[in-house]
Amino acid sequence: AQSVTQLGSHVSVSEGALVLLRCNYSSSVPPYLFWYVQYPNQGLQLLLKYTSAATLVKGINGFEAEFKKSETSFHLTKPSAHMSDAAEYFCAVSDSGNEKLTFGTGTRLTIIP
Amino acid sequence: EAGVAQSPRYKIIEKRQSVAFWCNPISGHATLYWYQQILGQGPKLLIQFQNNGVVDDSQLPKDRFSAERLKGVDSTLKIQPAKLEDSAVYLCASSLERPEGTEAFFGQGTRLTVV
Repeated sequence: AQSVTQLGSHVSVSEGALVLLRCNYSSSVPPYLFWYVQYPNQGLQLLLKYTSAATLVKGINGFEAEFKKSETSFHLTKPSAHMSDAAEYFCAVSDSGNEKLTFGTGTRLTIIP
Repeated sequence: EAGVAQSPRYKIIEKRQSVAFWCNPISGHATLYWYQQILGQGPKLLIQFQNNGVVDDSQLPKDRFSAERLKGVDSTLKIQPAKLEDSAVYLCASSLERPEGTEAFFGQGTRLTVV
């Protein structure tokens, strides 16, 4: 069975500071990994995805994530936080054979002015 | 390209009543999912359709929840009778079949409150 663990249910950073949201996965087969963002009262929007190509993945809004097989991690980063980045972020995993997503519990990102 | 459409956006019902949600996926997407997102948690898959066949409904509470996808396009999710713990956001998503599709596209969700 596949699963993801997001470390830290709440993260606060100052505007302009580095954003780091942590995600570790467990999978018995090569995984596909995703980061989704959810703004209040909205659905989920894809930020970026890893599907076994380049290990450093660039997404929308300046976010990127690096797939590290040795650490079973897929952490999300952004060099400089903006106020508009305040939202809930979800890491998710699927495998190459099935599109079904298994989500983590989410990390709420707060930006301090 | 139009996104995943869901209705209604909000619904308030009393426990033991029934409720239905509707979803129209992105055109051409063979796979459709219903997820339940309880406040403070990540979405949990309830049911996955491939065209109009069920691929996975292992986490669907079948004593009260039912879903159908007629003609492989639109889908409805029904709860009857509703319980207080069914209060959640119900998200519909769609995707292309593998290997062409790798990510799911989500609708805005239906927020259900059971009182």
